[in-house]
Amino acid sequence: AQSVTQLDSHVSVSEGTPVLLRCNYSSSYSPSLFWYVQHPNKGLQLLLKYTSAATLVKGINGFEAEFKKSETSFHLTKPSAHMSDAAEYFCVVSDRSSNDYKLSFGAGTTVTVRA
Amino acid sequence: GAVVSQHPSRVICKSGTSVKIECRSLDFQATTMFWYRQFPKQSLMLMATSNEGSKATYEQGVEKDKFLINHASLTLSTLTVTSAHPEDSSFYICSAIGYGTEAFFGQGTRLTVV
Repeated sequence: AQSVTQLDSHVSVSEGTPVLLRCNYSSSYSPSLFWYVQHPNKGLQLLLKYTSAATLVKGINGFEAEFKKSETSFHLTKPSAHMSDAAEYFCVVSDRSSNDYKLSFGAGTTVTVRA
Repeated sequence: GAVVSQHPSRVICKSGTSVKIECRSLDFQATTMFWYRQFPKQSLMLMATSNEGSKATYEQGVEKDKFLINHASLTLSTLTVTSAHPEDSSFYICSAIGYGTEAFFGQGTRLTVV
C-alpha cells in the first residue's frame, strides 16, 4: 500500500522569498515520487521526479526536491518565489513494484505569492 | 516531454444526455491510461484504469454503466458520461503512461450538467 501526506494545505509567501512544500510518503516497496503543479482549470504539469537515482532532484522553474528515505520525505523547495508560482501543488507516489502504475495523490497544497 | 491531448476542455450539456471526452497520446503509445475526477479545491480521485484492448478496471464506488471507458488503441481512450446529471458536474482529467514510469496528464475537461 502507498499513500502521501502533504503537511500544509496552504502556503503563503512573499515574492522573492523561499518556498517549502512538505510531503511525507508511505510505500511498501521502492517508490517513485513526483511533484506536479496545477494552475486553475488546467491539467497537471510535472515539476520533477525521483526514481532511485540521485536523491536531490532538480526540476523545472527552479524547483528541487530531496528524497530522504530515513524520514520518508520528499519536500519541494524553491529559493525565490515568483508570482507565476501561485498554483496548486501535488505530491504523488507510485509503487514501482506494482505493474499497474497507480499513482497516489496527496491532498494538495495551495501556494499564494504576495507581491 | 510527451503530450497528452484531452478534448473538449469545456462542455455544457443538458441533464439526461451523454457526453464523450477523448484522451489522446500524441507522440507515444500509451499502454495504460487513467481517468480522474477532481472536485473543487480537492485532489484527484482515480476513477478507472484502462489498458489498450481490454476492459477498464474501475475503482470502488465508480459506476461502470455510468462512466463508460473505451481504450480502443494505444493512443486513444474515451470516457463517456451517460445520462448525465448535475452531480456529475466536475473536472475530469486523463493521464497516460507509455513504457516508462512517468504519467503525462491531459489538460482536463470541465463538465457542467444543467
